[in-house]
Amino acid sequence: EAGVTQSPTHLIKTRGQQATLRCSPISGHTSVYWYQQALGLGLQFLLWYDEGEERNRGNFPPRFSGRQFPNYSSELNVNALELEDSALYLCASSQETGGTDTQYFGPGTRLTVL
Amino acid sequence: GENVEQHPSTLSVQEGDSAVIKCTYSDSASNYFPWYKQELGKRPQLIIDIRSNVGEKKDQRIAVTLNKTAKHFSLHITETQPEDSAVYFCAASKGDDKIIFGKGTRLHILP
Repeated sequence: EAGVTQSPTHLIKTRGQQATLRCSPISGHTSVYWYQQALGLGLQFLLWYDEGEERNRGNFPPRFSGRQFPNYSSELNVNALELEDSALYLCASSQETGGTDTQYFGPGTRLTVL
Repeated sequence: GENVEQHPSTLSVQEGDSAVIKCTYSDSASNYFPWYKQELGKRPQLIIDIRSNVGEKKDQRIAVTLNKTAKHFSLHITETQPEDSAVYFCAASKGDDKIIFGKGTRLHILP
């Protein structure tokens, strides 16, 4: 069974640009979660999608947005990039919706904002 | 909303000794408490979880205890080995809600 995949592996942008990160969940998983992991810090919850709908979002500004496609893959968009957006962005998927099911993480996208 | 505090932020133990990481949560409705391990440069992976109807769960050298009254739960690793060196995250969740992670504990196993 293929795990969660993310692309690209690395992304370098300049301040003010827009970044698009992609995630493909494990086959059969309908929930996708996005987390930001800044260097040396923990996992900050960003967004949660299930069955194509945004179910919850963390304490991030509106320039962080995303969507989930009919095949359950997901996209995270970050507009008007700021230096402090530099981080590892992790995507996770789960078979059952909600936070009480095991989340399987992807390898992450390392975003660097110059 | 839910808040999860994790201590210590860094822990060094001699190989073969035990390690204990503690977490507290704020929302008494939380009923699911997973622990994730993240090795350097790798993705977080679930190592053990416990639900609120259970007080303790064990899997080989790893155990988790839950005290619902005090709203805290702990990870215990016995007979630590070099491969246990990693960052460990506790988390809490309730039903149809997002998981909130602690800030992580960096565990060093000393030879």
